[in-house]
Amino acid sequence: NAGVMQNPRHLVRRRGQEARLRCSPMKGHSHVYWYRQLPEEGLKFMVYLQKENIIDESGMPKERFSAEFPKEGPSILRIQQVVRGDSAAYFCASSPGVLHSGNTIYFGEGSWLTVV
Amino acid sequence: SQQGEEDPQALSIQEGENATMNCSYKTSINNLQWYRQNSGRGLVHLILIRSNEREKHSGRLRVTLDTSKKSSSLLITASRAADTASYFCATDEGSNDYKLSFGAGTTVTVRA
Repeated sequence: NAGVMQNPRHLVRRRGQEARLRCSPMKGHSHVYWYRQLPEEGLKFMVYLQKENIIDESGMPKERFSAEFPKEGPSILRIQQVVRGDSAAYFCASSPGVLHSGNTIYFGEGSWLTVV
Repeated sequence: SQQGEEDPQALSIQEGENATMNCSYKTSINNLQWYRQNSGRGLVHLILIRSNEREKHSGRLRVTLDTSKKSSSLLITASRAADTASYFCATDEGSNDYKLSFGAGTTVTVRA
């Protein structure tokens, strides 16, 4: 059973370009989470999605950032018009169901975005 | 704001010694989890302790939880060079248990 798969692992974008980060959850997992880790900091929650639904996007910056988890295919975190401050590691995680049911959240290896 | 905060920020020990790090949090929780992150890699789940538990063991790991003090500790016994990593505690926010709050981590260096 493959783990949470993220790609690309490393991405370099110039200021103003778009970044698209993809996440395929573990098999059988329908809950996806995105977190961001700035240098020397812990992870910060961004968004929680279930298939075709955004459950909680309270951690997403109001502009330029969007996320989706379509019925078919991976979850996508999209950052438009990137700025240097967007440089960070973006982690996707998944779980088979709601966490208070005792499910564990599994993290992917992350996508490292560098904006030059 | 950060819920979990680890202490110390960095720890350097000799192989074979024990490593202890602490985590404090602010609000009531359902669970507290510890994760390990090797440089440039993702997070590896180590252990989950529920709010009604006081101590939990997993191999060379021992986790304690004191809800009255809103704190937890992670002890790694008989450390190895492979334990060199950053360690994070993560708490869930009550009703929003899917939203984990991480501290800035403790960076542990185990010297051979």
